[in-house]
Amino acid sequence: AQSVTQPDIHITVSEGASLELRCNYSYGATPYLFWYVQSPGQGLQLLLKYFSGDTLVQGIKGFEAEFKRSQSSFNLRKPSVHWSDAAEYFCAVGGNNAGNMLTFGGGTRLMVKP
Amino acid sequence: EADIYQTPRYLVIGTGKKITLECSQTMGHDKMYWYQQDPGMELHLIHYSYGVNSTEKGDLSSESTVSRIRTEHFPLTLESARPSHTSQYLCASSEALFQETQYFGPGTRLLVL
Repeated sequence: AQSVTQPDIHITVSEGASLELRCNYSYGATPYLFWYVQSPGQGLQLLLKYFSGDTLVQGIKGFEAEFKRSQSSFNLRKPSVHWSDAAEYFCAVGGNNAGNMLTFGGGTRLMVKP
Repeated sequence: EADIYQTPRYLVIGTGKKITLECSQTMGHDKMYWYQQDPGMELHLIHYSYGVNSTEKGDLSSESTVSRIRTEHFPLTLESARPSHTSQYLCASSEALFQETQYFGPGTRLLVL
């Protein structure tokens, strides 16, 4: 069965500092990987996704993520955090056939200090 | 920008009432999903649909039911609401069979007293 672990429940960074959110997955084949962001009281917005090809994926809002198969990881990064980035971030894994659904991690809540 | 809508956004209701949470998408997506999310927790899939007249139960057991009579519409119904149903319900849709990029609605926050 597929699973996703986000080891950090809460992270606090200062505005302008760099950010890395960790995501580890378990999946028996080539995974499809996603990062979503959820602002308070809102639905989820797709930040970026990895299906194949270049293992460094660029997303919206200046985010990027790197797929490392050897480490079963898909960490999300941003070089300089803005106060508006404060939100909950979810990593998700899915499969490459019609029957597979997304499995979400528990989320990481990001707080940004001024 | 995805066009997927949920109503109501917030609902406070008494125990025993029947409620229907609406979800509509204008993207022509075949696949639609309902997730339940408790505050600060991960999403759990409770229902999904491959298309019209298709409904399946998800990973998390739920007393709710769904229907898919039209492609764009995927309502969720609770026949008799209970306090344990208090949660946020997120609807999503996706287009392709193999690339599971899901687009989410804003969610419905349900409080059952």
